Amino acid sequence: GIQVEQSPPDLILQEGANSTLRCNFSDSVNNLQWFHQNPWGQLINLFYIPSGTKQNGRLSATTVATERYSLLYISSSQTTDSGVYFCAVGIGNTPLVFGKGTRLSVIA
Amino acid sequence: DSGVTQTPKHLITATGQRVTLRCSPRSGDLSVYWYQQSLDQGLQFLIQYYNGEERAKGNILERFSAQQFPDLHSELNLSSLELGDSALYFCASTGGAGSGNTIYFGEGSWLTVV
Repeated sequence: GIQVEQSPPDLILQEGANSTLRCNFSDSVNNLQWFHQNPWGQLINLFYIPSGTKQNGRLSATTVATERYSLLYISSSQTTDSGVYFCAVGIGNTPLVFGKGTRLSVIA
Repeated sequence: DSGVTQTPKHLITATGQRVTLRCSPRSGDLSVYWYQQSLDQGLQFLIQYYNGEERAKGNILERFSAQQFPDLHSELNLSSLELGDSALYFCASTGGAGSGNTIYFGEGSWLTVV
């Protein structure tokens, strides 16, 4: 099956700093989504981005499908950005395969 | 609010017991997925239903079963519970007009087996 690797596994940032999270996947996919799991456990969909670049406020994501990786950029981080960021991939609407996540802690 | 509703939010039960978790998908979404999140296993896909029919099966134990009803809500039944079944169980939905392949998760059901 598809393998998904996320890096780094853990990240600690000072408030206001920028960060880049990476997701590598082992096979061709046409479905890639980024999620944020907040400290209360809620999984929130950030981006549906099988290819190209999207931006939403301080967050942006880029997927280079031909090279099998995606990047999530967080700028001017805030304490509310803390939590775990997951990348998940799949084909069409088949079940998404999740990476192990990047745990982000933003310190004031 | 994702539009996916899960009940109960929290559940504590004893080993050997049986529980049912309920999920109402987003309005118009035909696909329902169940995922299990435990500390050591991450997010694991359990089972998918599409418009009432089982579509895909993942790492779902034989003690677990699920179904999707004509009104598209879904239930996950967990029986002969063991301590290791303690986890956060997510339901997610997709496939409706306007959502495409974007998947939306409910808030999850926290199950603690004691």
